[in-house]
Amino acid sequence: GENVEQHPSTLSVQEGDSAVIKCTYSDSASNYFPWYKQELGKGPQLIIDIRSNVGEKKDQRIAVTLNKTAKHFSLHITETQPEDSAVYFCAVMFSGGYNKLIFGAGTRLAVHP
Amino acid sequence: DTEVTQTPKHLVMGMTNKKSLKCEQHMGHRAMYWYKQKAKKPPELMFVYSYEKLSINESVPSRFSPECPNSSLLNLHLHALQPEDSALYLCASSLYGSQNEQYFGPGTRLTVT
Repeated sequence: GENVEQHPSTLSVQEGDSAVIKCTYSDSASNYFPWYKQELGKGPQLIIDIRSNVGEKKDQRIAVTLNKTAKHFSLHITETQPEDSAVYFCAVMFSGGYNKLIFGAGTRLAVHP
Repeated sequence: DTEVTQTPKHLVMGMTNKKSLKCEQHMGHRAMYWYKQKAKKPPELMFVYSYEKLSINESVPSRFSPECPNSSLLNLHLHALQPEDSALYLCASSLYGSQNEQYFGPGTRLTVT
């Protein structure tokens, strides 16, 4: 079945530094890749997504890159701020014809002032 | 507006109780989802409704019974749960389904005693 691996599991950075989280997937037919941010006690919040017809997408301080040949995609956060501290999940839409998102295990990002 | 609402926020129930979780969205989305999230784990898909019809049941035990009364509402009926069912239950919705963004509600924190 579909498998999504996410690294690292924890990431600690200083405020102002960049943070990068990487995910790999197994189903080469998958073509929708969202990223979610989950703060303590809240539901996951969609922060950015990318479809397979593009290689990169930016939204202010966050960006996502996709390499379909290598089957991996990455989240890049620049100029990190303490409020970026949260758990980040990558996800892959299963290509089997249903609306099934497969999530990575998550990355706990801590941004220290 | 990308709001999905869930009630109650917290629920404590005994193993012999019957309770229901409720989810609502007014974005005109026609796909709705139930996920289960254990502590420090990613969300796991339970059920998918498309156009008010159940399209995916991820082999969920029958003590969980979903219902979609109309395109804006989604319920999850609970009966004879086990302590291991304690988790955060998340509802999500998307415009139609595959390739569309899924938006999550804040979740219901369920404790089974």
